[in-house]
Amino acid sequence: AQTVTQSQPEMSVQEAETVTLSCTYDTSESDYYLFWYKQPPSRQMILVIRQEAYKQQNATENRFSVNFQKAAKSFSLKISDSQLGDAAMYFCAYGGSNYKLTFGKGTLLTVNP
Amino acid sequence: NAGVTQTPKFQVLKTGQSMTLQCAQDMNHEYMSWYRQDPGMGLRLIHYSVGAGITDQGEVPNGYNVSRSTTEDFPLRLLSAAPSQTSVYFCASSLQTGRHEQYFGPGTRLTVT
Repeated sequence: AQTVTQSQPEMSVQEAETVTLSCTYDTSESDYYLFWYKQPPSRQMILVIRQEAYKQQNATENRFSVNFQKAAKSFSLKISDSQLGDAAMYFCAYGGSNYKLTFGKGTLLTVNP
Repeated sequence: NAGVTQTPKFQVLKTGQSMTLQCAQDMNHEYMSWYRQDPGMGLRLIHYSVGAGITDQGEVPNGYNVSRSTTEDFPLRLLSAAPSQTSVYFCASSLQTGRHEQYFGPGTRLTVT
């Protein structure tokens, strides 16, 4: 079974600075997708970024980018120019061939003004 | 499009009561799923469906039933509520398998006393 590990329960960053959230996963599949979801205090789950395992190029979405290391099974999220609105719980998730999405336990990000 | 809708947003039950959490989507998605979110546990899959008439168990199915009679609706039934089922419940849908990003409803906060 696939597992997803987020080793940082909490992180903090100063406004306008850069922060990296870590995620590792375990799988025997070669074709899969990885996701980062954001959950602000409103509780709504929002997709931040998606990475397809067969693509070597790291995904980027504006200030959000990933460092995908397939051999190391690592999928970190970098947030540049952090804003107060980035404060949220961030979940890493794995989507493979078995119709299921497996989530990590989350990292709570605080942005300090 | 309304996306994924869930009702109710909040619910308080007494131990032993039964209830149904409603979930509907208007995006013609084949795949729908139910998760529960508990502090420090991330999101855990309860049940999922890959199409009308097809359902299967996820990671934590005990105490819950589902059915999928239409593409749009995927209700979650608690047969005899227990305090351990106090949680936030999310419904999600996606075009196909876990390889595609899932769209989440706003969640239902359930308290069982």
